[in-house]
Amino acid sequence: GAVVSQHPSWVICKSGTSVKIECRSLDFQATTMFWYRQFPKQSLMLMATSNEGSKATYEQGVEKDKFLINHASLTLSTLTVTSAHPEDSSFYICSARDPGTLRQPQHFGDGTRLSIL
Amino acid sequence: GNSVTQMEGPVTLSEEAFLTINCTYTATGYPSLFWYVQYPGEGLQLLLKATKADDKGSNKGFEATYRKETTSFHLEKGSVQVSDSAVYFCALSGAGGGADGLTFGKGTHLIIQP
Repeated sequence: GAVVSQHPSWVICKSGTSVKIECRSLDFQATTMFWYRQFPKQSLMLMATSNEGSKATYEQGVEKDKFLINHASLTLSTLTVTSAHPEDSSFYICSARDPGTLRQPQHFGDGTRLSIL
Repeated sequence: GNSVTQMEGPVTLSEEAFLTINCTYTATGYPSLFWYVQYPGEGLQLLLKATKADDKGSNKGFEATYRKETTSFHLEKGSVQVSDSAVYFCALSGAGGGADGLTFGKGTHLIIQP
């Protein structure tokens, strides 16, 4: 079964709206979660690393004021796309790694397809 | 920094054909290597992995060998099926034991025709 749950799976909203995406680890506590963005027919690009109890680490070129990340508990990280515009439309995917398993792969959520009209 | 290069797609094959999808990487230290598969409209699923040189990952008839001397992790399957049609991503995690995010290749779209 799924070990990382992402919600919602699909969002359609008007330009200027803020959208929150949740990522939950179901079977383990994740001190670190990752947020990726995937454009159509392209690869996943790491946006940021979400750290429980501290600030997220953003990759170069990712606007931290645009993509707000909160990791308030060991099982939940949220990504909020603030004042979303059509160019923010994309597929957003989170992942988490069970810290008890060294060198084991990250578990991915099923992704959130965001469409801004 | 880390990077992954995989062959461009789409790759179109007939059912029961032999499959190879090339993947090479650039990384410092000893990364872990992965193949992920993405079916239409879905998230990523881990297909197989290898964590050290000469390791062979295998799953569902797919296999890939971690070749440090050629910095490669090519994906192979002896006889593909229509249900294997998907996008395949080669990825690596840094030598830090996976505490960093994954670096992905651009993905290879595989189309298997009956």
